[in-house]
Amino acid sequence: EVQLVESGGGVVQPGGSLRLSCAASGFTFDDDDMHWVRQAPGKGLEWVSRISANGDSTHHADSVKGRFTTSRDNSKNSLYLQVNGLRTEDSALYYCARDHLGSYPDWGQGTLVTVSS
Amino acid sequence: DVVMTQSPLSLPVTLGQPASISCRSSQSLVYSNGNTYLNWFQQRPGQSPRRLIYEVSKRGSGVPDRFSGSGSGTEFTLKINRVEAEDVGIYYCMQGTHWPYTFGQGTKLESK
Repeated sequence: EVQLVESGGGVVQPGGSLRLSCAASGFTFDDDDMHWVRQAPGKGLEWVSRISANGDSTHHADSVKGRFTTSRDNSKNSLYLQVNGLRTEDSALYYCARDHLGSYPDWGQGTLVTVSS
Repeated sequence: DVVMTQSPLSLPVTLGQPASISCRSSQSLVYSNGNTYLNWFQQRPGQSPRRLIYEVSKRGSGVPDRFSGSGSGTEFTLKINRVEAEDVGIYYCMQGTHWPYTFGQGTKLESK
């Protein structure tokens, strides 16, 4: 059974940093690209970033470019999102999602980031 | 960025009746390899998104056959043959052809 388990969220002041993690199991992690998608409270889904299967290539949404960094450790079956320079508008539930051949069959339960002074 | 526009944003449906959601993109979603990376997701209240349809019309594993996707280029449609109570939730289209990937605003399907 595929599992994606996010962690690392919390309450942080504006300008602060967090490192979000996504632990994957039940599939060959280094075969698939991975994505982060977020959802602000009561709002729609927003794509955040993608990292290639071998970690060589990343893409980020304009809204987070230069502040967020996506990485992975295939030896640990783990995906990461380093979030710096946090703003109130970054408050959201952050999901990791598996990208299997252009499809997105598996999503985690999300980790909540709250940016507040 | 590619803008994804869904309609309607709210869709009250009588259970057992059909439902249809439209998604339009501001650019063609045909990728250089000829594939069209248009996905549909369902999000039930309090749950994570669930993949329904990928590459316009391919149904995900375990997705009931009352769900179907169609379209091409810039216009796409998700249809539900006969809406069941478990289908209540918000439906999103998402394009995976052009960076950055983008979602539609979401369509809230509710029981009338």
